[in-house]
Amino acid sequence: DSGVTQTPKHLITATGQRVTLRCSPRSGDLSVYWYQQSLDQGLQFLIQYYNGEERAKGNILERFSAQQFPDLHSELNLSSLELGDSALYFCASSVAQGGGTDTQYFGPGTRLTVL
Amino acid sequence: GEDVEQSLFLSVREGDSSVINCTYTDSSSTYLYWYKQEPGAGLQLLTYIFSNMDMKQDQRLTVLLNKKDKHLSLRIADTQTGDSAIYFCAERESGYSTLTFGKGTMLLVSP
Repeated sequence: DSGVTQTPKHLITATGQRVTLRCSPRSGDLSVYWYQQSLDQGLQFLIQYYNGEERAKGNILERFSAQQFPDLHSELNLSSLELGDSALYFCASSVAQGGGTDTQYFGPGTRLTVL
Repeated sequence: GEDVEQSLFLSVREGDSSVINCTYTDSSSTYLYWYKQEPGAGLQLLTYIFSNMDMKQDQRLTVLLNKKDKHLSLRIADTQTGDSAIYFCAERESGYSTLTFGKGTMLLVSP
């Protein structure tokens, strides 16, 4: 158990809908990262927040957005869902901003199925 | 840009050693990671190595780094059926936070 928690574990929804995925980092960690794992694209970095502020951005679609709250938990919002958004979404956390020896620990993931 | 390549599949017998290979392209000082993903589970950090090191050993795991060829390997000694999983190699440039992952190597350990 990495100490990173994600809810829900599974999510099934329809095209066009909007969903919110939630992540709580390990105690003491200030950075939260979101990754998408799909069969065709593999594991791709989406976005990072550090202490409430956006720190780095990867291949995140405009339909997706994220935020980190004062208690350091994070939410990933996915809107206007398409079939291709079906994937496993991972959250990771680290102590600092991500450079140097900072190490990312991953949560169990949320499996999103768009029908 | 960064690119990480792994072979897709490896099959070994219980008790044998497993060697999972990875190549990367980043030329800066970098951290290289091995993560393990069991079915239906998240990514478990196994070990990592910085690019100024050649080798790191942690119990049954040995990581070897050939900086000239940008080749990284993970050796698992005395492989057990519980080691069956997908193993991901990932790299991160020292000054940055983003992990770039390979596609993963599925390790199947048969009794």
